[in-house]
Amino acid sequence: SQQGEEDPQALSIQEGENATMNCSYKTSINNLQWYRQNSGRGLVHLILIRSNEREKHSGRLRVTLDTSKKSSSLLITASRAADTASYFCATTRRGIYNQGGKLIFGQGTELSVKP
Amino acid sequence: DAGVIQSPRHEVTEMGQEVTLRCKPISGHNSLFWYRQTMMRGLELLIYFNNNVPIDDSGMPEDRFSAKMPNASFSTLKIQPSEPRDSAVYFCASSLSLAGAYEQYFGPGTRLTVT
Repeated sequence: SQQGEEDPQALSIQEGENATMNCSYKTSINNLQWYRQNSGRGLVHLILIRSNEREKHSGRLRVTLDTSKKSSSLLITASRAADTASYFCATTRRGIYNQGGKLIFGQGTELSVKP
Repeated sequence: DAGVIQSPRHEVTEMGQEVTLRCKPISGHNSLFWYRQTMMRGLELLIYFNNNVPIDDSGMPEDRFSAKMPNASFSTLKIQPSEPRDSAVYFCASSLSLAGAYEQYFGPGTRLTVT
């Protein structure tokens, strides 16, 4: 079963607006990561937040993590047309020694930023 | 750094033929992952290796699929015989992973079409 589920599945906004995407997961985690995928390309890592962290920033990105609710959100401020892409959350499960760093990806949110 | 290298970028083949996808991970990375992405099923982890050893192949759909990693700088994913439902984009990713998960670096993918 999917560990991460993104919400919404699709989001369309105007340039300059903020975009918020949410991710829920089912089991205890070691960390949660967000990735971005432009059409026809591989995924690109954006940010990693550990289970003992609540918020993290990177440029125009802000990620929050609520382990009590098993959820995370990704906020992109002052969006640009170039932010148009699919965004995925991915988690590693706690309690299982993870020799290879296996990630479980959600289905993704498709973000469209209109100029 | 050249990043993760995959070849070929596109492959069109007829049903029943053998297909071999290749991947060169980032130098120094000790984990390698093979994913398949389709519209219907999203991003699926097929198999991953740690220090050239297969750790989890539970995502490999059938015996028609096999993967090898003969050394730290090369891996193959083979489909024999191929079927139309194998049509998808296949991604290879690598990471430096110790006792936990680190960010994964994805290759550009191989778009496979089986007719």
